[in-house]
Amino acid sequence: DAGVIQSPRHEVTEMGQEVTLRCKPISGHDYLFWYRQTMMRGLELLIYFNNNVPIDDSGMPEDRFSAKMPNASFSTLKIQPSEPRDSAVYFCASSLMGLAGGSYNEQFFGPGTRLTVL
Amino acid sequence: AQSVTQPDIHITVSEGASLELRCNYSYGATPYLFWYVQSPGQGLQLLLKYFSGDTLVQGIKGFEAEFKRSQSSFNLRKPSVHWSDAAEYFCAVGSGNTGKLIFGQGTTLQVKP
Repeated sequence: DAGVIQSPRHEVTEMGQEVTLRCKPISGHDYLFWYRQTMMRGLELLIYFNNNVPIDDSGMPEDRFSAKMPNASFSTLKIQPSEPRDSAVYFCASSLMGLAGGSYNEQFFGPGTRLTVL
Repeated sequence: AQSVTQPDIHITVSEGASLELRCNYSYGATPYLFWYVQSPGQGLQLLLKYFSGDTLVQGIKGFEAEFKRSQSSFNLRKPSVHWSDAAEYFCAVGSGNTGKLIFGQGTTLQVKP
């Protein structure tokens, strides 16, 4: 398996522009997570999905952020409009909520998208 | 509420020396515990995990961790550190009912030659 795939790997944009980050989870996984990592705040969970349905978006910083999962193999995180304080590395992770003793809760991370907003 | 504490923000060890990274958790039920490693510019990679059974678990790259319920700890150890082990290490506890992982703040390991 190719693992979790994220695109783009790097994104540089100007303040006010719309940014869309993409994620393809591992095939067969039923959970998908979006994280943000910064030096100041560490690793933050933004939102997660179970079977394509958003379960908890309490980590989304504000209305400028939105996430969708139209099908089991694709998710997007959109920032509109972007601001310099959104500069961070954004990770997507997926997991399979299997039976205990298997891959229960283990999350597989993508390589991340480094976003720079000027 | 569930939480994970990694008391050491930054640790420096000499190459070849032993290593122990501390992790304390707060969780009401039997925890599912994980250690992840993040090399510079990379995503997080699973080192090892504990679900049940033997409290000493072996992972990749020569790492091991011991679950101590009485101390609510899951410390990561390696007998001899290599320069390539320099990275950030995250401890996490799984919330079995939600699918979420609760991560600690991370410990940055620096290895001196």
